[in-house]
Amino acid sequence: GDSVTQMEGPVTLSEEAFLTINCTYTATGYPSLFWYVQYPGEGLQLLLKATKADDKGSNKGFEATYRKETTSFHLEKGSVQVSDSAVYFCALSVRTGANSKLTFGKGITLSVRP
Amino acid sequence: KAGVTQTPRYLIKTRGQQVTLSCSPISGHRSVSWYQQTPGQGLQFLFEYFSETQRNKGNFPGRFSGRQFSNSRSEMNVSTLELGDSALYLCASSLSASGGGETQYFGPGTRLLVL
Repeated sequence: GDSVTQMEGPVTLSEEAFLTINCTYTATGYPSLFWYVQYPGEGLQLLLKATKADDKGSNKGFEATYRKETTSFHLEKGSVQVSDSAVYFCALSVRTGANSKLTFGKGITLSVRP
Repeated sequence: KAGVTQTPRYLIKTRGQQVTLSCSPISGHRSVSWYQQTPGQGLQFLFEYFSETQRNKGNFPGRFSGRQFSNSRSEMNVSTLELGDSALYLCASSLSASGGGETQYFGPGTRLLVL
């Protein structure tokens, strides 16, 4: 079946540090890949996405590249801010399926210190 | 456009009761999916509805059910509540004309506490 594996957390960084959150996947078909972010007490917000190999998704300084050869979609940001403190989820949806089901990783909590 | 809305935002029930949660998708979106989020199990897919039909179902007992109305609004129902049903229930909508791979947009969730 489909699965997403995220690196273990939590992660604590100082403001302006570089961020990498690893994500790898297995999929029964050709997936679209997503990063969602969840702030305390809220639902999930789409951060970025990529729909085919070598695509780079980007938003708010975050980037992730769809690597089919390594089945990875690692999230990076060059300089984190305190406001980036949240839980980050990597997810996939198989494009050949007739439904929109998202398969999520376990999520990782990021805390950024001033 | 207004985002996905969910009501109620918070709910407290006791074991054995039943509960109905409501979700209004983004205007024009025809697919509604439901997810359960718990600290132990993370985010798990419950079911998806498209054009009033259940298109996919996750691995949950039959106590969990849902439906979708002609205006794409959806409800989910949990009967005979158990303590383990305490969770954040998230609704997501998408255009989903073609199905898989499309972006889903999430509501703020309904936090259910079962005592």
